[in-house]
Amino acid sequence: AQRVTQPEKLLSVFKGAPVELKCNYSYSGSPELFWYVQYSRQRLQLLLRHISRESIKGFTADLNKGETSFHLKKPFAQEEDSAMYYCALGEYGNKLVFGAGTILRVKS
Amino acid sequence: DAGVTQSPTHLIKTRGQQVTLRCSPKSGHDTVSWYQQALGQGPQFIFQYYEEEERQRGNFPDRFSGHQFPNYSSELNVNALLLGDSALYLCASSSFLQAARFGPGTRLTVT
Repeated sequence: AQRVTQPEKLLSVFKGAPVELKCNYSYSGSPELFWYVQYSRQRLQLLLRHISRESIKGFTADLNKGETSFHLKKPFAQEEDSAMYYCALGEYGNKLVFGAGTILRVKS
Repeated sequence: DAGVTQSPTHLIKTRGQQVTLRCSPKSGHDTVSWYQQALGQGPQFIFQYYEEEERQRGNFPDRFSGHQFPNYSSELNVNALLLGDSALYLCASSSFLQAARFGPGTRLTVT
């Protein structure tokens, strides 16, 4: 069965520290992976899509098929990065399977 | 473009009642998906509509049904509400090769 695992419910870092939000998946085919972010009182927003290989707001994520991972990274955390982050696996026709989410808290 | 819009914002219903939630997709999108997000959990896929037909369905009972109109807007209907149906209901729209974009959600409370 398709599954997305985000092992950390909460990740707390200091401003300027590196950030890595972990995401592991199980999928039998060629996955399409996404990171969505939800800032306080805002809707769920697309942050990254692995096929576009973009860097958004300083975040990057590399798909590692060998380790079935799609970890989200940023070299220097900013306070405005504090939010809920969801990793999602795209199946046929854009159906998304979400992880449980990780709260990122950036302390000043 | 206002993006994906949903109505109403909040809704309170009693057990056993029926509810209808509405969604208008982002301009240019033709596919609408519905998700249920319980407190503290990630969104769970309910179903997806394309060309006015249900294309995929998640693990939800038949009490959950939907509809898509010719203008691509969509409704989610839930019959015989249970306390466990209390959640945030998210609508997402997409199109071929376009990633899903989400609406603000409808908060449903069943008492």
